[in-house]
Parts: sequence; C-alpha cells; structure tokens
Amino acid sequence: ETGVTQSPTHLIKTRGQQVTLRCSSQSGHNTVSWYQQALGQGPQFIFQYYREEENGRGNFPPRFSGLQFPNYSSELNVNALELDDSALYLCASSSQPQETQYFGPGTRLLVL
Amino acid sequence: AQSVTQLDSQVPVFEEAPVELRCNYSSSVSVYLFWYVQYPNQGLQLLLKYLSGSTLVKGINGFEAEFNKSQTSFHLRKPSVHISDTAEYFCAVSRITSGTYKYIFGTGTRLKVLA
Repeated sequence: ETGVTQSPTHLIKTRGQQVTLRCSSQSGHNTVSWYQQALGQGPQFIFQYYREEENGRGNFPPRFSGLQFPNYSSELNVNALELDDSALYLCASSSQPQETQYFGPGTRLLVL
Repeated sequence: AQSVTQLDSQVPVFEEAPVELRCNYSSSVSVYLFWYVQYPNQGLQLLLKYLSGSTLVKGINGFEAEFNKSQTSFHLRKPSVHISDTAEYFCAVSRITSGTYKYIFGTGTRLKVLA
C-alpha cells in the first residue's frame, strides 16, 4: 500500500510568481487536506477536498486554491506569492473527512 | 473562537523518566482531539485520537492521553521515555461546522530526551 506522496520536495520561487504543489492520496482515500506549516509553528489548515469538492476552508485568502481529481489526487495552487508564503506545505489524506489523516512528507517552499 | 494551547514550547526529560505534554482547547461545541508527532524533516504521524467514549485513550509507542471535558484538556503522557521519542508533538482539534470540517493545531511542544 502506497502512502501519501507529495511533489516536489523543495521549491524556490520569487515574489509575485505562482506555484502548484501536488499530492497523491493513499490508496482507498477520497479526502485530502492541505496545511501550511511555517518554521517553528503548528500546521495551519488551508482547506479540505472530499470527492472533488471543497469541504472546509481555513483563514487563507482566495489566492490559495485547490483541485481534487477523479483519482483523488490533489493540487494546491498559490498565486501572487508573498515572502510569508515560505513554509512547509503538508498534504494529508483520509478515507472519509472525519477519519484519521495520514500525512505526506511535505513540500518546502521558499519565496525570495 | 476555537483555539488550541500547548503550554510548553520545550520539554527536556531524562531517558526512562515519565513525561506529560499539556494541551488545552477552547470550543463551544463538541470536538475531536488528536496528538501527532513530527520527526525532523518528516510529515506528521498520528499518536492517538479521542472521538468519544472512554476518556483515557491509548496510542502508539506507549503514549496515552486523557480527555478532561471540565478542564478542556487533553494532556499526553508516557510513563518512560526513550531517546527515540525526541521530536515535536502537536495537539489538534477538529469539529464540524455547517457540515464541513475544520482542523486547528497547537504550536507544538519540542520533547528532548536526554541520556
């Protein structure tokens, strides 16, 4: 059974650019959640997708958007990057929205 | 507003000693409670969760936590720690609002086990 995978592992962008991060959910999981973890902080909930629909959103601006595909993999898109967007972005999948989340290793984004 | 407070940012403890990592939450509605562990340069791994039922929850690696509704706490304990328990520990809550889920994590407690 393959766990949650994320790509890329590291990424460097400049202010104003756009970025797309990818997540493959664990086999049999239909729910994906995205988190932003700044250095020394706990993860902050960005949003959750359940069966290709957004199923909850944290306090992030609209320039953070997402998609979930029919195979339940997911993308996180961030437009107009700001320096404060530098963080570890974590993806987690679960078999249902309320079930245990399994986390991927994360994508570390640096915005210069 | 809903929040999670981890009262200790760092906890040093000697190997084989007991440890308690504290977590308090505030919420006006019922919540689910979780503890996760994060090793350096890795994602989060679930240690244990409380959904309902018995207030004492046992998790992996010998950890347990007790849900105390009156004190709105969910402290994590281990009777005897190992060097390998050195990591960052996060307390989290989730709740349903209008049919959707929101998750809130604490700021984390860095557990350092000393030889």
